[in-house]
Amino acid sequence: AQSVTQPDIHITVSEGASLELRCNYSYGATPYLFWYVQSPGQGLQLLLKYFSGDTLVQGIKGFEAEFKRSQSSFNLRKPSVHWSDAAEYFCAVGDSGNTPLVFGKGTRLSVIA
Amino acid sequence: NAGVTQTPKFQVLKTGQSMTLQCAQDMNHNSMYWYRQDPGMGLRLIYYSASEGTTDKGEVPNGYNVSRLNKREFSLRLESAAPSQTSVYFCASSQPTRRGEAFFGQGTRLTVV
Repeated sequence: AQSVTQPDIHITVSEGASLELRCNYSYGATPYLFWYVQSPGQGLQLLLKYFSGDTLVQGIKGFEAEFKRSQSSFNLRKPSVHWSDAAEYFCAVGDSGNTPLVFGKGTRLSVIA
Repeated sequence: NAGVTQTPKFQVLKTGQSMTLQCAQDMNHNSMYWYRQDPGMGLRLIYYSASEGTTDKGEVPNGYNVSRLNKREFSLRLESAAPSQTSVYFCASSQPTRRGEAFFGQGTRLTVV
């Protein structure tokens, strides 16, 4: 069965600092990987996705993620965090178009001045 | 283009009451899902429907029923609400050609007292 681990429950970074949120997955074949962001009181918005090909994928709001098969990881990065990036971030894995995504438990990001 | 619409946005129920959460999508997606979100637990799948006329249990189906009314609509029913069902409920939809990428509604915040 697929599973996703987000090791960090809560991260605090200073505005302008770089950010890396960790995600590890468990899946036998090549997974489909996603990062979603949830602002307070809102639904989930897709940041980026990986299906195949280039292992470094670019997303919205200046985020990127790198797929590393050898480490079963799909870490999310941003070079310079803005206060508006404070939110909860979810990593998810899927294996086809017909099965539901499996989500990690999320990482809450706080941004301080 | 509204995407995924959930009603109501907020609801307070007394223990033992019943209610139905409504979800509709206008993207012509085949698959629809109900997740619940609890602090520290991420998103957990309650039920899903891979296509019109089919439904399947997810990770936490007990206490819930679903109906895939047509391709657009997927409702979630609580027959006898319990305080443990206090949660935020998200409906989502996806299309196999998009490899599981899910589009989410804004959520229903349910409190059972």
